[in-house]
Amino acid sequence: GQNIDQPTEMTATEGAIVQINCTYQTSGFNGLFWYQQHAGEAPTFLSYNVLDGLEEKGRFSSFLSRSKGYSYLLLKELQMKDSASYLCALGRDSSYKLIFGSGTRLLVRP
Amino acid sequence: EPEVTQTPSHQVTQMGQEVILRCVPISNHLYFYWYRQILGQKVEFLVSFYNNEISEKSEIFDDQFSVERPDGSNFTLKIRSTKLEDSAMYFCASSDFGTATTYEQYFGPGTRLTVT
Repeated sequence: GQNIDQPTEMTATEGAIVQINCTYQTSGFNGLFWYQQHAGEAPTFLSYNVLDGLEEKGRFSSFLSRSKGYSYLLLKELQMKDSASYLCALGRDSSYKLIFGSGTRLLVRP
Repeated sequence: EPEVTQTPSHQVTQMGQEVILRCVPISNHLYFYWYRQILGQKVEFLVSFYNNEISEKSEIFDDQFSVERPDGSNFTLKIRSTKLEDSAMYFCASSDFGTATTYEQYFGPGTRLTVT
């Protein structure tokens, strides 16, 4: 199995920092990906980790610890437009197919 | 900026009918995928396609489903005899991993399929 767990909902304030956690139980994967999805729209790529450690891309950073089965997405300087669902996904097998978690719905308040 | 396109944006069909969902992946990409998302649920992998053949498929992708790359640009998903539970948003995605150092998949805007 490849259970991927994320909190269902989170709320944060504009300008703040929020950390969205993702834990997983799986026998193996190539990389861990984070996507953003606004309601009714397609997922858009944010970040990925192949190796343990922190990857930074502007306001977004992602961290992976394979030994702990844990990843997080860090969003800094939150903006109202960051209100969306954030999807954790494992890239698996030779085609890097994505296995998604259920997503975390983030609400940014003024 | 190149993007994945999908047509139609919304398809309504009656149970038992065949539907074909169309996608135009990004032109230099080599891997193509179909995913679906039932309303309120998570995105689910259906099938991946590389070098003109299916490389992987999920349990959802049964004999009712097929994919094809009929020419150099289009990538289609056919559902032969639709069921009510096939109602979902269907996303096409493409990736150039294998020729590039990135692994990200680019998603199209989706086709909302409604089976009545």
